[in-house]
This record gives sequence, C-alpha cells and structure tokens, in this order.
Amino acid sequence: ELKVEQNPLFLSMQEGKNYTIYCNYSTTSDRLYWYRQDPGKSLESLFVLLSNGAVKQEGRLMASLDTKARLSTLHITAAVHDLSATYFCAVDAPTSGTYKYIFGTGTRLKVLA
Amino acid sequence: GAGVSQTPSNKVTEKGKYVELRCDPISGHTALYWYRQSLGQGPEFLIYFQGTGAADDSGLPNDRFFAVRPEGSVSTLKIQRTERGDSAVYLCASSRTVQEGEVYGYTFGSGTRLTVV
Repeated sequence: ELKVEQNPLFLSMQEGKNYTIYCNYSTTSDRLYWYRQDPGKSLESLFVLLSNGAVKQEGRLMASLDTKARLSTLHITAAVHDLSATYFCAVDAPTSGTYKYIFGTGTRLKVLA
Repeated sequence: GAGVSQTPSNKVTEKGKYVELRCDPISGHTALYWYRQSLGQGPEFLIYFQGTGAADDSGLPNDRFFAVRPEGSVSTLKIQRTERGDSAVYLCASSRTVQEGEVYGYTFGSGTRLTVV
C-alpha cells in the first residue's frame, strides 16, 4: 500500500525565514504534485513534478523531486504572511491501469508577522 | 463552466438519511474524480470516471456509497443510510483527459461539507 508522509505536520515561522517541508512516499512513482489549501477553500495546484531531479520555482516556493530517495521537498524562502496555508503533496499511484492521487496528511504553515 | 462547481456547498443531514452531492466539471473534461477529506487529513480517493463509466471505484468505503455520471459530464455521489462517520468535505476534481491530469494536475472544486447529526 502506498503511503505518503509529510513533515512537519505543523510549522510556525517568522516572516523572512527559510524552511523546508518534506514529503516521503513508500513506492515507486515519478509523478508528484504539491497543492495549497486555504481554510475552508479547495485545493490549488502549485507544482507538478514529473521526473527524477525535477525542480520548479514560483515566487518564494521551490519544489524538487528525488525519485530514487522517494522524497520531494517544498522550500520556502523569506516567508511572508500570505504563505500561511496547508500544503499537501500527492503521489500518483498507478494501480491496475488507472491513476489516482494518494495525498499526504498536509503541513499546516503559519507565518507570523 | 469556468471551474469545477459543487453543490450544495454545505449539507446537514440526520443519521440514516440519504444524500446526493453534485459535481459539475469543467466543460469538456472527461476525467472526473471524487475525494473525501476528513478534518485535519489529506483528501482520500473515492472513485474516478473516464467519460460515463467508473474506471476505478476502489476507494468507496462500502456499498452505502455510489456515484454516477450518466451523460459523461455532471456526476452525483450518493450516500445511503448516512452515518456520523461520513461527515467530511467531499471534493470533486476534473481534467480534460487522464493524461492531461497527469501532466498538469487536476482542477478541484470547492467541495461539499457534509455533516451528519
């Protein structure tokens, strides 16, 4: 059974600081997705990582994928309050010829002014 | 439509009642997914449609849950004899094709918050 684990589960950080969220998964996959969710809202796609070594950046967020280590990271640079949200990673689980996401439990980020 | 639309946004029902949750995907999207998100958890896969047929319903928790997509667009998730444990946010997502969903990700709706009292 594919398992996806994120850490930390909760993160409180000061504005201007850097931090990394980790996403580990338990089986072979070369497709990993990061989503953002604001309270009471739906999921917003941030990054799609489709191969080993993939790195994508958008603003203060940068995501990378190491399929050999089964690890993805989401790095936050010089955090600002607007980044406060819950961040989910999801791994594509090809089973029986169909695909579906297996989500991590999420990392709740709070950026303090 | 411009996005994935889900109705109702909130539903409160009594234990034992029947509920229907509706998802209207982006026009032209053939792949449609239902997920369930319990409080403080990540979404869990329920069922996926390719066109009108359910391609994978392995995530439906039991036979009280059923979903249809008769014309390949709007989908309805049906829950019979609701239980308090069914309380969650039910999310719908769509993509133009499965392959495009793999490459670009899905578009999620805002969800239906179901509360069973």
